[in-house]
Amino acid sequence: NAGVTQTPKFRVLKTGQSMTLLCAQDMNHEYMYWYRQDPGMGLRLIHYSVGEGTTAKGEVPDGYNVSRLKKQNFLLGLESAAPSQTSVYFCASSYVLAGFSYEQYFGPGTRLTVT
Amino acid sequence: GIQVEQSPPDLILQEGANSTLRCNFSDSVNNLQWFHQNPWGQLINLFYIPSGTKQNGRLSATTVATERYSLLYISSSQTTDSGVYFCAVDPGSSNTGKLIFGQGTTLQVKP
Repeated sequence: NAGVTQTPKFRVLKTGQSMTLLCAQDMNHEYMYWYRQDPGMGLRLIHYSVGEGTTAKGEVPDGYNVSRLKKQNFLLGLESAAPSQTSVYFCASSYVLAGFSYEQYFGPGTRLTVT
Repeated sequence: GIQVEQSPPDLILQEGANSTLRCNFSDSVNNLQWFHQNPWGQLINLFYIPSGTKQNGRLSATTVATERYSLLYISSSQTTDSGVYFCAVDPGSSNTGKLIFGQGTTLQVKP
């Protein structure tokens, strides 16, 4: 199993450009998450999904959109990139049992720089 | 919202030493997880531990939910233990795994 994979690993954007980050998991997990990590800080939740076709906002959703068209994929979009979105982006997934989510498994991250 | 505080913020050890990392949280939680972020940035789940004690090799963790804290013990530390250790909690109002992370403890193990 590949676990959680993210594409691309690195990207440089100019202010105002758009891009989509792809997250894929092969563990049949129900829940998926997008986090960002800024220097010297812990991770902050951007958006999450509790199932195919559903998405919800996390702590810092502004400037991002997401879609979960297939259970195994969770896409994060930046419509008009800003320098404040320079960060490392992590995707994660977790399984659910009796309505509770359990361990989260993380992808390797995408390092995004917006100039 | 819930506050998650980790201590100490930085820790330097000699190889072979033991250490205890602490995580305090300000409200009830559904679950608590410990992660290790290695120097290459990869996040590894160490423990899912909403309460009680678990052990995995040289690492163990204890969460006392009623007193709102968790401890991570590292025994006989090795240089490969270096990195940042994060505590993360899912607040009591949510069962969706919306983790709130602490600021982390940066550990350096010297040979």
